[in-house]
Amino acid sequence: GIQVEQSPPDLILQEGANSTLRCNFSDSVNNLQWFHQNPWGQLINLFYIPSGTKQNGRLSATTVATERYSLLYISSSQTTDSGVYFCAVGYQGGSEKLVFGKGTKLTVNP
Amino acid sequence: DADVTQTPRNRITKTGKRIMLECSQTKGHDRMYWYRQDPGLGLQLIYYSFDVKDINKGEISDGYSVSRQAQAKFSLSLESAIPNQTALYFCATSERDRMGGYTFGSGTRLTVV
Repeated sequence: GIQVEQSPPDLILQEGANSTLRCNFSDSVNNLQWFHQNPWGQLINLFYIPSGTKQNGRLSATTVATERYSLLYISSSQTTDSGVYFCAVGYQGGSEKLVFGKGTKLTVNP
Repeated sequence: DADVTQTPRNRITKTGKRIMLECSQTKGHDRMYWYRQDPGLGLQLIYYSFDVKDINKGEISDGYSVSRQAQAKFSLSLESAIPNQTALYFCATSERDRMGGYTFGSGTRLTVV
């Protein structure tokens, strides 16, 4: 099956800093989503982005499908950005199920 | 009210007991999923259903069963709970014809002692 690797596994920032999270995948995808899991465990869908670039406030994401990676950018980080960020992909022949990476744990200190 | 509601939120049960986790949604989505999350890991798919009559096993279905009672309801059962089924369980929904984002419930934290 498809492999999904996220980097870095852990990231510690000071409030106000910018960061880039990466997701590499091993095969062609037709679905790619970024999620944020807050410290209380709730999963929030940030982006549905199988290709191209999207922006939502301080967050933006870019997927280069031909090179099999996606990037999540967080600008001017806030303590509320802390949590775990997951990349998940769906692929042809995978019956549109999502396969999750292991996540990047982000800690933003005041 | 939440779009995807899971009950219970927390549950402690004993080894060997049967337990059911419930999920209901008001999104009107056809597709529903059950995922399991272990500490420090991503989510693993247990079962998924694309409509009421279409139920499929995921990566880790052993020891679990499901029931799709209606378009809006999808239940997960542990027939005989064991300690290594202690985990955070999530239900999710997605649309059929438009490939879009998943919506997750708030999760059920299950502890098997």
